[in-house]
Amino acid sequence: EVQLLESGGGLVQPGGSLRLSCAASGFAFSDDAMSWVRQAPGKGLEWVSSISASGGITYYADSVKGRFTISRDNSRTTLYLQMNSLRAEDTAVYYCTKGWVDSNYLYWGQGILVTVSS
Amino acid sequence: QSALTQPASVSGSPGQSITISCTGSSSDVGGYNYVSWYQQHPGKAPKLMIYDVSKRPSGVSNRFSGSKSGNTASLTISGLQAEDEADYYCSSYTSRSTPVFGTGTKVTVL
Repeated sequence: EVQLLESGGGLVQPGGSLRLSCAASGFAFSDDAMSWVRQAPGKGLEWVSSISASGGITYYADSVKGRFTISRDNSRTTLYLQMNSLRAEDTAVYYCTKGWVDSNYLYWGQGILVTVSS
Repeated sequence: QSALTQPASVSGSPGQSITISCTGSSSDVGGYNYVSWYQQHPGKAPKLMIYDVSKRPSGVSNRFSGSKSGNTASLTISGLQAEDEADYYCSSYTSRSTPVFGTGTKVTVL
């Protein structure tokens, strides 16, 4: 059974940093691309970033480019999202998903809330 | 990349069929056969219902079907049931090598 478990969310002040983790199990993690998708409170889904299976190719939404960094540790079957220079508009539930930029996301984590507020 | 355009809400009575549209451009929906549809119940993670325009993942009811014409994709739910009441989002691959989601549609079962 595929499982994706996010952690690392919480309350952070504007301008601060946070690192999200997504522990994956139940599939060959090193064979699959992974992505992050977020959803602001009461709003729609927004793709954030994707990383190839090897980690060599990454893509970012314009809204986070230069501030967020996606990475992975295939030996630990864990996906990461380093978020710097956080803004109020980054407040959202962040979902870890298995899939590439073709938006074919069959498996999702339960989501983790990030709140950026003073 | 602007979000794909969906109607804010669609409603129907049990047993009826409804269709949700998802309008983009030749740079996304119209240019690639990588359109997906997601169902999301309140407080839950999205669930993939359709991928590659019209394919259904294993376990998804055949009451859900997808299609595309030009720059507009559609999700049809036939035999509407109470459990279908949820938010629905389309998504598409784009010419920027990134995906974009739709604005979302709230489906209400009357």
